[in-house]
Amino acid sequence: GENVEQHPSTLSVQEGDSAVIKCTYSDSASNYFPWYKQELGKGPQLIIDIRSNVGEKKDQRIAVTLNKTAKHFSLHITETQPEDSAVYFCAARRDQTSGSRLTFGEGTQLTVNP
Amino acid sequence: EPEVTQTPSHQVTQMGQEVILRCVPISNHLYFYWYRQILGQKVEFLVSFYNNEISEKSEIFDDQFSVERPDGSNFTLKIRSTKLEDSAMYFCASSIGDSSPFGEGSWLTVV
Repeated sequence: GENVEQHPSTLSVQEGDSAVIKCTYSDSASNYFPWYKQELGKGPQLIIDIRSNVGEKKDQRIAVTLNKTAKHFSLHITETQPEDSAVYFCAARRDQTSGSRLTFGEGTQLTVNP
Repeated sequence: EPEVTQTPSHQVTQMGQEVILRCVPISNHLYFYWYRQILGQKVEFLVSFYNNEISEKSEIFDDQFSVERPDGSNFTLKIRSTKLEDSAMYFCASSIGDSSPFGEGSWLTVV
């Protein structure tokens, strides 16, 4: 089955700096890669996603890059703010039509210091 | 914006008791999921449900677990005889395409 590894497990940055979180996956059939933000006691919230036919996607301060050959994808947050502090999870999934599962990484605790 | 809703938000139960967690998926979604997250760990897949049947389940989803869509709007997860290790946050998700919004979760504590 799919295995997703995520690094680093904790990341501390100063407000205004950039943060990068990296994930690798094992199943070459995976073609959908979402990123979720989870605040304490809440459910994961989708913040950005990318499909395997795209190399990069950006939404304001958040971007995701995908290298399908190397089987890795990264989350980039620019101009970080204290409210970006949360746990971030990457995930991978095969084609949706079979209702296939999301396989999550271990999570990254991001702390943005004011 | 439509969202997935879950009840209860928190339940404490005695070991060996049955628990039912309820979810109302987004109305036009076709795929329904349960995931769980043990405190401080990653989110783990339990089961997916499509066209009124289980489409995939993980090794965690053993005979103690069952899912049902009893009335066309609710989607339930039943744990027949809870164990201490079932203590976790349980998340429901639904989807029609790629995006899978999650509910806020049901925190289950087994004592």
